[in-house]
Amino acid sequence: QSVLTQPPSVSAAPGQKVTISCSGSSSNIGENYVSWYQQLPGTGPKLLIYENSKRPSGIPDRFSGSKSGTSATLDITGLQTGDEADYYCGTWDSNVHAHVVFGGGTKVTVL
Amino acid sequence: QLQLQESGPGLVKPSETLSLTCTVSGDSVSSHNYYWGWIRQSPGKGLEWIASIHYTGTTYYNPSLNGRLTIFVDTSKNQFSLRLISVTAADTAVYYCARLLATAGPGGRRNCFDAWGQGTVVTVSS
Repeated sequence: QSVLTQPPSVSAAPGQKVTISCSGSSSNIGENYVSWYQQLPGTGPKLLIYENSKRPSGIPDRFSGSKSGTSATLDITGLQTGDEADYYCGTWDSNVHAHVVFGGGTKVTVL
Repeated sequence: QLQLQESGPGLVKPSETLSLTCTVSGDSVSSHNYYWGWIRQSPGKGLEWIASIHYTGTTYYNPSLNGRLTIFVDTSKNQFSLRLISVTAADTAVYYCARLLATAGPGGRRNCFDAWGQGTVVTVSS
């Protein structure tokens, strides 16, 4: 059981938009910044979004993040086949003193 | 260019100790701005943070691992390592090392893993 809750899967056709939610509580998302990670099949995770909505160098602006209250959202617009991957949210949790707690992950499928 | 490379035994017997090392190139483990951490992923499962260390010796451990962990850094070799005792089949996973930016300020903590190794597979089996 993950501290942060994500939908197991989302899907859309190429060119469409998907939204991945990440639900937490006041001890984690509610009072801290959220990061998002992309894990392509057979590879290690990669930082996609940090501080709720910032993109590291090289991440296209098709990926955007936001936070409201105790939930965060990752949007992927102009979906491409190369975006098929698992996506994880993460943040600090003051209750468990964990440097990063992760969501259970969301599988994005491009139809 | 920052690179992290995990190394480990691949196969460990139940009840024995797992030792993993992460070799860092392109940055120093003595960097004041970063922690260095381990994350694992059991087969078919999600990510689980294990432990983090700052070169000054400050450490954080996942409390769910019940005191079986030790993380330490070797600045002379630009490496950091993880030791997990009394392993069981539940510790079978891909283990990743990563650089952790952990700062705090208005809006809370900004913790995120901004660089990852490719991972090393660890199987616990007799």
